[in-house]
Amino acid sequence: AQSVTQLGSHVSVSEGALVLLRCNYSSSVPPYLFWYVQYPNQGLQLLLKYTTGATLVKGINGFEAEFKKSETSFHLTKPSAHMSDAAEYFCAVSNAGNMLTFGGGTRLMVKP
Amino acid sequence: GAGVSQSPSNKVTEKGKDVELRCDPISGHTALYWYRQSLGQGLEFLIYFQGNSAPDKSGLPSDRFSAERTGGSVSTLTIQRTQQEDSAVYLCASSSQDGYGYTFGSGTRLTVV
Repeated sequence: AQSVTQLGSHVSVSEGALVLLRCNYSSSVPPYLFWYVQYPNQGLQLLLKYTTGATLVKGINGFEAEFKKSETSFHLTKPSAHMSDAAEYFCAVSNAGNMLTFGGGTRLMVKP
Repeated sequence: GAGVSQSPSNKVTEKGKDVELRCDPISGHTALYWYRQSLGQGLEFLIYFQGNSAPDKSGLPSDRFSAERTGGSVSTLTIQRTQQEDSAVYLCASSSQDGYGYTFGSGTRLTVV
């Protein structure tokens, strides 16, 4: 069984500040990890993914995430928030099969 | 097609009516998924199709919900005798067999009045 916990259903940052969205997972086998972003009235868009290899993965729009096995974490970061980053972010885990398990989502708000 | 296409984008229906939601996955993607996203909620898994295998229906909330996938491509999610609690955004996604993540459609926003 696998599960995902996203700490903080809402996160608010100022424009230009660091963005940190937390994701912890549990998985009985080596995980594949994903971050998706959902803008208002749209579907989910893949931001980045970790499957194997380098533990620091870079995605679109300046986001990156680091897989830390010892901490069972895959936190999403961006050095400088932009107003256009305001959206809902979902972390997900799979076990190399097709089924993804999603976290509850974190809504990011960016203040001017 | 280039992406996952869902129709209609919005649907308003009266309580008790049946509705059909359509999903056209990316060509060649063998796996297709339906999720439901209620207001302020996360993603609720509904059903999963993989190739010619029997679908995983474990997420369907009641026997009013059903889905089929014809010819390994287009899928239709049917909700019979709709209730107000069925109001949500229904998201479809597809993936290739390697499990490297999904591509989502834009969803169908269902409102039951």
